[in-house]
Amino acid sequence: DQQVKQNSPSLSVQEGRISILNCDYTNSMFDYFLWYKKYPAEGPTFLISISSIKDKNEDGRFTVFLNKSAKHLSLHIVPSQPGDSAVYFCAAAITQGGSEKLVFGKGTKLTVNP
Amino acid sequence: ETGVTQSPTHLIKTRGQQVTLRCSSQSGHNTVSWYQQALGQGPQFIFQYYREEENGRGNFPPRFSGLQFPNYSSELNVNALELDDSALYLCASSPEASRRTGELFFGEGSRLTVL
Repeated sequence: DQQVKQNSPSLSVQEGRISILNCDYTNSMFDYFLWYKKYPAEGPTFLISISSIKDKNEDGRFTVFLNKSAKHLSLHIVPSQPGDSAVYFCAAAITQGGSEKLVFGKGTKLTVNP
Repeated sequence: ETGVTQSPTHLIKTRGQQVTLRCSSQSGHNTVSWYQQALGQGPQFIFQYYREEENGRGNFPPRFSGLQFPNYSSELNVNALELDDSALYLCASSPEASRRTGELFFGEGSRLTVL
């Protein structure tokens, strides 16, 4: 039962263009949604998050949009840079029994070509 | 400020053996979580420790156990290793302030191979 889905295993874009990474979820009880970026041989690093009561959050080149009715969120990167090439994980945060856990998607590998 | 550090970075074990993985949380963080990332998958929640007590567990059998120490460092122990336990094990810490937002600070992980 995959509660967080990233249906695109990979995405390739040209430098300077927009990258759009998508994520779908099934559980309405998620409190926050987060995006993590992961380079090879490193742990995931936090990128940006959005509360379930918001529909947009922006931080520099990164914007996350949340569509609660569609249970869909997306990460926009504008403009894309070669250094953005990494695996991006969508994650949803839920509090259960006093603990907070993240439920991750399988990731989307973004390649930004110079 | 020192980030989350894990040891060892790589190790190889045989089926049936036991393994202990270690994690030092980031300074000021009192919550530690462990995640398992199998090849081609996203990280999966194993359990969380808060002030030395386990306060949440994912869908992992009892042979996965842990500890958190007074300095907030942590261990993950896995007994009776199986081939499917081969994965990257990620430790993540978080401060009190982010306990409701889910923001975690991850280490680089310990890659376990079970032969």
